Order: sequence, then C-alpha cells, then structure tokens
Amino acid sequence: KAGVTQTPRYLIKTRGQQVTLSCSPISGHRSVSWYQQTPGQGLQFLFEYFSETQRNKGNFPGRFSGRQFSNSRSEMNVSTLELGDSALYLCASSLDGRADSPLHFGNGTRLTVT
Amino acid sequence: GQQVMQIPQYQHVQEGEDFTTYCNSSTTLSNIQWYKQRPGGHPVFLIQLVKSGEVKKQKRLTFQFGEAKKNSSLHITATQTTDVGTYFCWADKLIFGTGTRLQVFP
Repeated sequence: KAGVTQTPRYLIKTRGQQVTLSCSPISGHRSVSWYQQTPGQGLQFLFEYFSETQRNKGNFPGRFSGRQFSNSRSEMNVSTLELGDSALYLCASSLDGRADSPLHFGNGTRLTVT
Repeated sequence: GQQVMQIPQYQHVQEGEDFTTYCNSSTTLSNIQWYKQRPGGHPVFLIQLVKSGEVKKQKRLTFQFGEAKKNSSLHITATQTTDVGTYFCWADKLIFGTGTRLQVFP
C-alpha cells in the first residue's frame, strides 16, 4: 500500500504570495489532517478533513485554509505569505479520524518564505 | 484550553544509558499515542494507550499511562544510536506534546 504522498517536497516563495500544498492519503483513509512544524513551536494542528468536510480547526489565522476532495485527497492553501510561515507542513491520514486511529504522516512540504 | 507538556525538551545520553520522556496533561485524557520522528523524517506511530495504568512494551521501549490518565511516559532501556530522534505524545486527537529530542552518543 502506498503511503501518504505530499507534493511538492520543497517550496520557496516570497512574502505576499500564496501557496497550495497537496496531500494524497493512504488508500481507504478518509481523514486527512495538516500540521505545521517549526523548531520553536513543535507540531501545531491546522485542520482536519473527513469526507470533504472540515471537522476540526486549529488556532491559525484565516490565511490558512484547506479542502478535501471526494477521493480524500486534500489541499491546503496559505495566502499572503509571511516570513513566519516558513515551516515544514505535514499531512497525516487516518482511517476514520477517530482519536484512537493512528496517524500516518507524509514526508512533508518544506516551505521557505523570503 | 487543553495543554500537553512534555519533559525534558532535550536529552543527551551515552549509548547504553536509559532514557525517559514524560507527557503531562492539564485534563484527563481518553487515550494517548506516541510517535517518533527521526532527524529529517516524519513522525511514525509507535503505540497507543487507552486504559488507566496501562503498561505496554516494545522490545526496549516501555510505555505507561498514568492511573489518573493525565500523564504518560516512554522509557527506553539501554539506548542505541538508532533511538536518536524526537519523541512526541499525541493526546486525544489534535494535540501533540512539545516533543523530547533524544541524542545518543556512541
């Protein structure tokens, strides 16, 4: 079974631009969640999607948004990029998004904002 | 809001020494999962604990869930260089602990 696939692996953007990151979950997994990882803040939850609906949202500004498609693939978008948005963005899928379902992470997209 | 603190933040040990990381919650948890992230890698699921006082072992790793279900620990016996990485607890979905970075010197 293929793992969680995130594209692209690396991105360099300038302040004010927007970016879209993509995540393909493990086949059969219906829940996709996104995390921002920075050295200072650790893993911060962004949002979770299940069956094309956002089920949970973390404490991030509205510049961060996402969506999930009918095939469970997910995208997250960050608009009006700021220097502080530089981070590793990790996507994780789980079978049903329950608290007792393990997360399977992709390799992440490393975003650098200059 | 709910917080999960993990200590220590960093731990450097000599190969063969033991290592323990702790997760402490301000509220009672229904379950807790542990993940390991190697340098340059992504978090990988290790184990899940759901019962009060539960203890689980994986080779040299021992995981415990506190009686009050507010804390958990991961203990590694006789560390090896392959244990290097950051260990995270994940509590009740949505909340990751702050992580403990383990460095093992040969």
